[in-house]
Amino acid sequence: SQQGEEDPQALSIQEGENATMNCSYKTSINNLQWYRQNSGRGLVHLILIRSNEREKHSGRLRVTLDTSKKSSSLLITASRAADTASYFCATDPSYGQNFVFGPGTRLSVLP
Amino acid sequence: GAGVSQTPSNKVTEKGKYVELRCDPISGHTALYWYRQSLGQGPEFLIYFQGTGAADDSGLPNDRFFAVRPEGSVSTLKIQRTERGDSAVYLCASSLTPRAETQYFGPGTRLLVL
Repeated sequence: SQQGEEDPQALSIQEGENATMNCSYKTSINNLQWYRQNSGRGLVHLILIRSNEREKHSGRLRVTLDTSKKSSSLLITASRAADTASYFCATDPSYGQNFVFGPGTRLSVLP
Repeated sequence: GAGVSQTPSNKVTEKGKYVELRCDPISGHTALYWYRQSLGQGPEFLIYFQGTGAADDSGLPNDRFFAVRPEGSVSTLKIQRTERGDSAVYLCASSLTPRAETQYFGPGTRLLVL
């Protein structure tokens, strides 16, 4: 079973607004990553946050991590229509071998 | 440089047939991963190679699924006696070193079993 759970499952916003997606997980992790996927194809790595970090920025992306709550959030500021995609969090478990992905949030940015 | 490539892009087959899906990782990447993604879901881990050997195949759903990486580069995922439930997008990823923080994904092969 998958460890990560994103919410909301789907999000629809207007261009220029901010989009926030959340991810929860169950076990201790080395790091947590966010990926983007267009049209059900390959995933593109967006940003990684390590377990000893609380916040990270990359361009219009801001990621937070709360290891006490086992949760993370991805904020996309000033959204654009081109940001329309599915966004997945993936955890790198401390005691496991493999990335575990959540079911994703489908973001629609309306022009 | 070139990214991860996967062939074919799409594969339609009939129930009971055998299929092979190919993954060409980024040159020099020693680790290679296969995932399966069903509609509306996140990728699920299948198998992970370090070089030529399968370091972890715990995600393979049953013995109809098998993967090889004979020369430590290209990998082939093989599915025998396909079932309709095998329909999904099969994603391949590679990383420079085993357990590297970032995996680079290919575009996937969309498999449809009729």
